[in-house]
Amino acid sequence: DVKVTQSSRYLVKRTGEKVFLECVQDMDHENMFWYRQDPGLGLRLIYFSYDVKMKEKGDIPEGYSVSREKKERFSLILESASTNQTSMYLCASSFLAGGTYGYTFGSGTRLTVV
Amino acid sequence: AQSVTQLGSHVSVSEGALVLLRCNYSSSVPPYLFWYVQYPNQGLQLLLKYTSAATLVKGINGFEAEFKKSETSFHLTKPSAHMSDAAEYFCAVSGADMRFGAGTRLTVKP
Repeated sequence: DVKVTQSSRYLVKRTGEKVFLECVQDMDHENMFWYRQDPGLGLRLIYFSYDVKMKEKGDIPEGYSVSREKKERFSLILESASTNQTSMYLCASSFLAGGTYGYTFGSGTRLTVV
Repeated sequence: AQSVTQLGSHVSVSEGALVLLRCNYSSSVPPYLFWYVQYPNQGLQLLLKYTSAATLVKGINGFEAEFKKSETSFHLTKPSAHMSDAAEYFCAVSGADMRFGAGTRLTVKP
């Protein structure tokens, strides 16, 4: 079964820490995405990547960076975690740009910054 | 820019009753539209998608949605709710990337 795997389901980090969220897909998809999900706000796009070593800012990139060194892996980095980054983070991948065939999502990482 | 609006952040129905979750879209081009479901502490799972082949789209778990261009709507329905349908549902529109609605939490009462 094809899948998107996020390395951690739950994380608790301290303010100011550098945080890495890892995402791996086994579908050979070109496109990968990071969203954060907050109650009443739905999913907001942080960063996306259409190819290895390529990245594009989404709607809310401030405080985040990404890395895509290999096609199957897309990492989200919180350079200096803050309490307002406490959220559910969802990684997704797609076969076509724009998600014409839909996205495949990971199970999410619930990050708490204390 | 493309966007979707979900009407109602919370819908409650009795088991066996009709489920209707509302979604309206805004798009300058013929849209690709999606419904996703999210069970507690899980990622999003694709329920169904509209890609202009047919206006009535059938998905998994007995759900279906009808694309109405005149109303710019893509409402999700299920004739008879089950307890297992309790989840959060997201409508989405695809363009250069995918834009999601704020979500509708469905509660099913016994």
